[in-house]
Amino acid sequence: QVQLVESGGGVVQPGRSLRLSCAVSGFSFSGFGLHWVRQAPGKGPEWVAATSYGVGNDYYADSVRGRFTISRDASNNTLYLQMSRLTTEDTAVYFCAREGRGRLQDYFDYWGRGTLVIVSS
Amino acid sequence: EVVLTQSPATLSLSPGERATLSCRASQSVSNFLAWYQHKPGQAPRLLIYDASNRATGIPDRFSGSGSGTDFTLTISSLEPEDFAVYYCQQRSNLLTFGGGTKVEIK
Repeated sequence: QVQLVESGGGVVQPGRSLRLSCAVSGFSFSGFGLHWVRQAPGKGPEWVAATSYGVGNDYYADSVRGRFTISRDASNNTLYLQMSRLTTEDTAVYFCAREGRGRLQDYFDYWGRGTLVIVSS
Repeated sequence: EVVLTQSPATLSLSPGERATLSCRASQSVSNFLAWYQHKPGQAPRLLIYDASNRATGIPDRFSGSGSGTDFTLTISSLEPEDFAVYYCQQRSNLLTFGGGTKVEIK
């Protein structure tokens, strides 16, 4: 079955970097767009970044562009989010999510359980 | 940016009752709206896409309606496993989510 499992969260000081991973299984890794979505405490989800299937174009929210980098490694079916110059505003649970195909394009048909990132001194 | 406003923030109901959740967009999103269910510690689940289409495996007690700026998710008769937080998401103009409605047991 489809599974997405995030890891790499933790407590990090402002200004530092952190890399999140998302191990995927149960579907063609290169055949779907993959996204990171975060949810700050007490708030609704916020889309962060995406990598499309095939050519693999990358897209970012304005709030993270220039600081975060999304990438994927097909050799181990893993999605990454490299986060740098972190601020307290980046504190959130980070989810990876699969973008659906066809009529489900730009919707998220499978999600992971998330990994918590706390930016604090 | 399209802002999605969900109401009410909390809905207190008993099993068997009908739940009606609202999502209002700051500008028209046509029918490009989805609903998700999220329980603590679990992965969010896609319920409805394109405003009114149930995702695979979603029970028919869940239904969605609306277009333009006003959307509704209806749960016809609440089951114990339906108590959760529900989010709407639009894909008309970038991707944004609402703030959520918590459906809690009364």
